[in-house]
Amino acid sequence: KAGVTQTPRYLIKTRGQQVTLSCSPISGHRSVSWYQQTPGQGLQFLFEYFSETQRNKGNFPGRFSGRQFSNSRSEMNVSTLELGDSALYLCASSLDTGNYGYTFGSGTRLTVV
Amino acid sequence: GQNIDQPTEMTATEGAIVQINCTYQTSGFNGLFWYQQHAGEAPTFLSYNVLDGLEEKGRFSSFLSRSKGYSYLLLKELQMKDSASYLCAVRDSGGYQKVTFGTGTKLQVIP
Repeated sequence: KAGVTQTPRYLIKTRGQQVTLSCSPISGHRSVSWYQQTPGQGLQFLFEYFSETQRNKGNFPGRFSGRQFSNSRSEMNVSTLELGDSALYLCASSLDTGNYGYTFGSGTRLTVV
Repeated sequence: GQNIDQPTEMTATEGAIVQINCTYQTSGFNGLFWYQQHAGEAPTFLSYNVLDGLEEKGRFSSFLSRSKGYSYLLLKELQMKDSASYLCAVRDSGGYQKVTFGTGTKLQVIP
């Protein structure tokens, strides 16, 4: 079966711009979680969606938002980009809300210049 | 909230055994995961413990002690391909069971 698909793989944006990242989970998986990974901080939880509802939210500013569609595909948006937003953004899907191990996508590498 | 601690780096010899420790402090606990992440790749699921004791899966085993807030991942017969970061993650018991990751242990296997 197809894995978790994240697009785009790489992105370069300028400070102040906004960006939208996409994640298509494994077919049948209804839970999608987003993480930011940086060398110093490791994986930081952004938010988790289940059946189009945000179930959990991490400690990120309101510039970070997300949504999930009826087909379980999810998007996250970052507005007013800052240099510190440069990171690998990982999407993880699972059958239910954390009851199973995650399957991660390959991530989107965002560079803010 | 959750606090998860792991050593930052470890080095071990090919063919040897290595134990990677993880300690956690959490207001509610409902399971601990271990993931492997090779450089430039996504994390992949290794193991899951929710009850005390040892779970064995081939060359990899994971142990949990809930009363001590402690887990370890044991890698036997180390191979060069085991060089990777190993991430400990804890699922909390409240609400919708958020999963929080530690910063990971970078393991280097040397000949």
